[in-house]
Amino acid sequence: LAKTTQPISMDSYEGQEVNITCSHNNIATNDYITWYQQFPSQGPRFIIQGYKTKVTNEVASLFIPADRKSSTLSLPRVSLSDTAVYYCLVGDLTGNQFYFGTGTSLTVIP
Amino acid sequence: EPEVTQTPSHQVTQMGQEVILRCVPISNHLYFYWYRQILGQKVEFLVSFYNNEISEKSEIFDDQFSVERPDGSNFTLKIRSTKLEDSAMYFCASSGTGGERAGELFFGEGSRLTVL
Repeated sequence: LAKTTQPISMDSYEGQEVNITCSHNNIATNDYITWYQQFPSQGPRFIIQGYKTKVTNEVASLFIPADRKSSTLSLPRVSLSDTAVYYCLVGDLTGNQFYFGTGTSLTVIP
Repeated sequence: EPEVTQTPSHQVTQMGQEVILRCVPISNHLYFYWYRQILGQKVEFLVSFYNNEISEKSEIFDDQFSVERPDGSNFTLKIRSTKLEDSAMYFCASSGTGGERAGELFFGEGSRLTVL
């Protein structure tokens, strides 16, 4: 299983772009990178998933360099409601197992 | 929007008692999971279930734990003899048909288990 490393916490002001980087040095060829968001006392919620290069959806972008040993979740113009824990997961898509790391606790400051 | 539902939302039990947590996954999903989260800690994988059998389980999922899909809609987690350290939020999740969407897990709101 590819282990992930993320910063424990980050602070940002409202309206700023936030980039959270995840390291996954031993990612396997078949592994995808998936990011989840979790608010207190709620289940994690899927944000975005990618394999390589760049993926963008309505809430975030995911940047993956060519070596795929890291990835960066980009949240444009964060608001107070984006305060949450963000998890990076790495795994293949056999649907068997997805292990969460320690996550990054993002605090958005007014 | 379809969602995963879990019951009960909160259960308090005495140490040594059996507990069953129930989940109704999204109807056309094929993969089912249980995770737990001890207060203030990370989300921990317990077990995944596919095609009516366990496909993967973690070290946490010992003989005290079992899962079952008794009918076409429910997915249950049983803890045979609860311990104090089983106190946690238990999340059920499901995902679709595999392939590129297999990483998109849909989580329920969780069942908080308190063992006294």
